[in-house]
Amino acid sequence: AQSVTQLDSHVSVSEGTPVLLRCNYSSSYSPSLFWYVQHPNKGLQLLLKYTSAATLVKGINGFEAEFKKSETSFHLTKPSAHMSDAAEYFCVVTRMDSSYKLIFGSGTRLLVRP
Amino acid sequence: DGGITQSPKYLFRKEGQNVTLSCEQNLNHDAMYWYRQDPGQGLRLIYYSQIVNDFQKGDIAEGYSVSREKKESFPLTVTSAQKNPTAFYLCASRRGQGSGNTEAFFGQGTRLTVV
Repeated sequence: AQSVTQLDSHVSVSEGTPVLLRCNYSSSYSPSLFWYVQHPNKGLQLLLKYTSAATLVKGINGFEAEFKKSETSFHLTKPSAHMSDAAEYFCVVTRMDSSYKLIFGSGTRLLVRP
Repeated sequence: DGGITQSPKYLFRKEGQNVTLSCEQNLNHDAMYWYRQDPGQGLRLIYYSQIVNDFQKGDIAEGYSVSREKKESFPLTVTSAQKNPTAFYLCASRRGQGSGNTEAFFGQGTRLTVV
């Protein structure tokens, strides 16, 4: 069965410092993994996705994530945080059966201090 | 522009009343989903549909109903049987079956409040 675990419910960084949001997955198959961002009272927007091509995936707004099979991780990073990055971030894996349902992590709220 | 539209943005329901949330997409996607979001609980799947005239229960379907009569539309009805309906509801769509590596597109959500 597929699952994702986001290791931190809250992360706080200062503006201009690096961001690291951690995600571990469990999957019997080669997974498809996604990171989404949600600003307050908004829908979810795709940041990036991994679909078994390059292990280092670049996304929008300067975010990137590295797929590490040996560590079953897909951590999201950004070199320098902006105030506008403050939001909730979700790591997502696709369930690899006929349903192809998306399985969401519990989310990480990113706070950016001025 | 292609996208997915939810309406209304805010909805108020009286006790014992049924309400219907609208979700429309013009992305020509086969699969559509309804999620419920509560503070601190992430997203939970209510119902999903992979093709017109077919849908399946998700993890928390009790008290909800859906229909999928048209490819572009997937309305969600919150019935009076749903005892705690106050939440943020998100609709999503995705390319069809066999598309495990494709992303979902989300609407902007409907916030439902029981008054």
